[in-house]
Amino acid sequence: GAGVSQSPSNKVTEKGKDVELRCDPISGHTALYWYRQSLGQGLEFLIYFQGNSAPDKSGLPSDRFSAERTGGSVSTLTIQRTQQEDSAVYLCASTLVGWGTDTQYFGPGTRLTVL
Amino acid sequence: SQQGEEDPQALSIQEGENATMNCSYKTSINNLQWYRQNSGRGLVHLILIRSNEREKHSGRLRVTLDTSKKSSSLLITASRAADTASYFCATDEGSGGSNYKLTFGKGTLLTVNP
Repeated sequence: GAGVSQSPSNKVTEKGKDVELRCDPISGHTALYWYRQSLGQGLEFLIYFQGNSAPDKSGLPSDRFSAERTGGSVSTLTIQRTQQEDSAVYLCASTLVGWGTDTQYFGPGTRLTVL
Repeated sequence: SQQGEEDPQALSIQEGENATMNCSYKTSINNLQWYRQNSGRGLVHLILIRSNEREKHSGRLRVTLDTSKKSSSLLITASRAADTASYFCATDEGSGGSNYKLTFGKGTLLTVNP
């Protein structure tokens, strides 16, 4: 596709519900990142996928968070039993190779609000 | 942990003026990138400077890097109202860390008044 897309753009949910956030990276990009951005804050690294390698899950804040990437393309971030502190903008980025020198191409984000 | 910290947190200037934002980090890096974010949505890459470079230009942007002080600055010349956004620096983890992870600072909110 032309760019990274994410859906939904906004999600309002009740505390305790599960949510799924989707990311479609740029076609041909082998690496995909998920970040979380709380209001007025920087980006917090969540998880990194690169090709068929085991993902780096070191940034996931709790076991309520999980992510998968099917077929090396689309990724889904799942948050189970959502809490109010999970409210944030969740950003996805893809890069061609996945090195620190790569330009990261970001999607528009999903704004999650947990009531 | 490695982290870029931008300074100032917020900057308000008049159109036509120059805007300077600074970034400091803690440990050695291979490269530093600057990104821009409009309205809390996706970030857009602006420029990358490598650790062996001291200055880089791209249009109205000028980036400097001082590895001895572990700091970088982003200068936007002849600012426009459309430059209003948050600006983030991002650093890699250097030779001792991962070759793929970037750490973003909290950003500088730039407001350019018409």
